[in-house]
Amino acid sequence: QKEVEQDPGPLSVPEGAIVSLNCTYSNSAFQYFMWYRQYSRKGPELLMYTYSSGNKEDGRFTAQVDKSSKYISLFIRDSQPSDSATYLCAMTSYQKVTFGIGTKLQVIP
Amino acid sequence: GAVVSQHPSWVICKSGTSVKIECRSLDFQATTMFWYRQFPKQSLMLMATSNEGSKATYEQGVEKDKFLINHASLTLSTLTVTSAHPEDSSFYICSARDLGTRAGSYTDTQYFGPGTRLTVL
Repeated sequence: QKEVEQDPGPLSVPEGAIVSLNCTYSNSAFQYFMWYRQYSRKGPELLMYTYSSGNKEDGRFTAQVDKSSKYISLFIRDSQPSDSATYLCAMTSYQKVTFGIGTKLQVIP
Repeated sequence: GAVVSQHPSWVICKSGTSVKIECRSLDFQATTMFWYRQFPKQSLMLMATSNEGSKATYEQGVEKDKFLINHASLTLSTLTVTSAHPEDSSFYICSARDLGTRAGSYTDTQYFGPGTRLTVL
């Protein structure tokens, strides 16, 4: 079993839809949780960073962490074609960072 | 957010030559930097962890004599692909670990560089 599971998609949604991206994990030592957005042929860009269970909101993005269920989510409201990218979840324990495989999102105009 | 630069952004070289890629953290000090490679439509693959002032830690299957890593300062790590071959053609991405306090909050995350596309002819 992988430490971090993420559905690779692709996920296609119409413009304006609410997008839900998820990752599950098995290592209870993970303490910090991140979401990155990666456009084709570019380095990943940090979108959200959370530590504790609960929700964190930044503009159209909401990151949710449920440590008891070992489940994290990223919600994108009012999705735009420019949101089309691959979204990677990542988790940190001590010095080790583990990434999900990434979910490819396509927002259709 | 924090900024990490990478240079060059792309490079084309002949088989057998060596290529050096630089990774710099521009607005924070990074005791730890990471080097990844990414093949088309695949996820990031960690190659090695670079610690300032000490030897890099390589992931299983990564040849340390082929991929030389130097982390000479808290803001600079370099990856040298020695005797490059066409199979080394890939997208190489570095990241820098931001560990400490930022905007009043404790942080432990990574910021990525824009990547370097290496093509070996």
